[in-house]
Amino acid sequence: KAGVTQTPRYLIKTRGQQVTLSCSPISGHRSVSWYQQTPGQGLQFLFEYFSETQRNKGNFPGRFSGRQFSNSRSEMNVSTLELGDSALYLCASSLAGTGKNEKLFFGSGTQLSVL
Amino acid sequence: AQTVTQSQPEMSVQEAETVTLSCTYDTSESDYYLFWYKQPPSRQMILVIRQEAYKQQNATENRFSVNFQKAAKSFSLKISDSQLGDAAMYFCAYMNVEYGNKLVFGAGTILRVKS
Repeated sequence: KAGVTQTPRYLIKTRGQQVTLSCSPISGHRSVSWYQQTPGQGLQFLFEYFSETQRNKGNFPGRFSGRQFSNSRSEMNVSTLELGDSALYLCASSLAGTGKNEKLFFGSGTQLSVL
Repeated sequence: AQTVTQSQPEMSVQEAETVTLSCTYDTSESDYYLFWYKQPPSRQMILVIRQEAYKQQNATENRFSVNFQKAAKSFSLKISDSQLGDAAMYFCAYMNVEYGNKLVFGAGTILRVKS
C-alpha cells in the first residue's frame, strides 16, 4: 500500500508569489491534515479536511487556504508569499479523522523556501 | 488552549543503554490521546507510541514504553537498548478527541546515540 505522497519535495519561490502544494493520502483515507514546521515556531496545525469539507482550522492568516477533492487528495495554497512562510509543510492522512483509535500517517513533506 | 512542553532540547545516550525523554502537557479535557513521534533526517514523522488518556496501563511498543501520569499531566518516553537508528528528533503530541486530527506538538528533543 502506497504511503502519503507529497509533491513537490522542494520548492523555491520569491516574495509575493503564490504556491500550491499537493498531498495524496493513503488509499481509503478520507481525512487529510496539514502542518507547518519551522525552526522558530515548531510544528503548527494549519487545517484538516474530511470528505471535501474543512473541519478544523489553525491560527494562520487567510493567505493559507486548502481544499480536498472527491478522491481525498488535498491541495494547500499560500498566496502573497512572505519570507516567514519558508518551512517544511507536512500532510497527514487517516481513515475517518475521528481521532479515536486512529493513526495519522505523515508524508515526507514539501520544503518551501521563499527568497 | 492545550500546550505541550518538552524541557529537554537535546539528550544523549550510549548504544544499548536506556534513555527517558520528558513531556508535560496542559489541558482541561478528560478525553484525549498522547503520542510520541520520531522525525529522522529524512523529515518524515513516524509514530512511535500512542496512549489513550482513559487507559491507566502504560503503552509499550517493543523497546519503547511510556510513563503516563494523568494527574501530573506527564507523559515520558523510555527507550531501552538504544540503537543507532533511534537517533532522531522526538516530538510529544496531544490530540483532543473532540477536534479530530488536530495534533498539538511540543518543541521536540534531539536524541543522539553514541556508539
